[in-house]
Amino acid sequence: DAGVTQSPTHLIKTRGQQVTLRCSPKSGHDTVSWYQQALGQGPQFIFQYYEEEERQRGNFPDRFSGHQFPNYSSELNVNALLLGDSALYLCASSGGLAGVGETQYFGPGTRLLVL
Amino acid sequence: AQSVTQPDIHITVSEGASLELRCNYSYGATPYLFWYVQSPGQGLQLLLKYFSGDTLVQGIKGFEAEFKRSQSSFNLRKPSVHWSDAAEYFCAVGPFGIAGNMLTFGGGTRLMVKP
Repeated sequence: DAGVTQSPTHLIKTRGQQVTLRCSPKSGHDTVSWYQQALGQGPQFIFQYYEEEERQRGNFPDRFSGHQFPNYSSELNVNALLLGDSALYLCASSGGLAGVGETQYFGPGTRLLVL
Repeated sequence: AQSVTQPDIHITVSEGASLELRCNYSYGATPYLFWYVQSPGQGLQLLLKYFSGDTLVQGIKGFEAEFKRSQSSFNLRKPSVHWSDAAEYFCAVGPFGIAGNMLTFGGGTRLMVKP
């Protein structure tokens, strides 16, 4: 049973560029959440996708956007990159929005460095 | 707004010694509580979770945690630490219900194990 997969593993961009990160959820899961983990900090919730729609959003600017595809995979897009966007981006999947007994399973992350 | 505090940024214990990592949360309703572990360069692995029922929950790798509602705490314990337990540990709180399962994480506790 494949777990949550993310690509690429590492990425280097320059300020002002745009980046797309990808996530495939664990088999049987239909909900994908994205988190940003800055160095030395805990993960912070960016947003969550279910049924191809953004259902919840954390305190992140509109430069952060996403998409979910019919096969439940997801993309995170960040426009106009800032140095402060350098972080580990984690994708987590779960089996629905209900929240009852749901556990999020995390991928290994994509480490983004903005120069 | 919900929040999670992990008072200890770093903890060092000797191999074979007992361990307790502290977690305090602020949440307006019945929370879901989680402990995750992150090894260097890795994603997050779920150690254990509490939803309801018995306030002492058992997890993987010999870890357990106790939910104390009166103290708003969910401390993680292990009776005998192994060198392989060296990692960063995150406590997280999540909501119950149809609002989804966005997680709020603490800042993490880095555990070092002395031989």
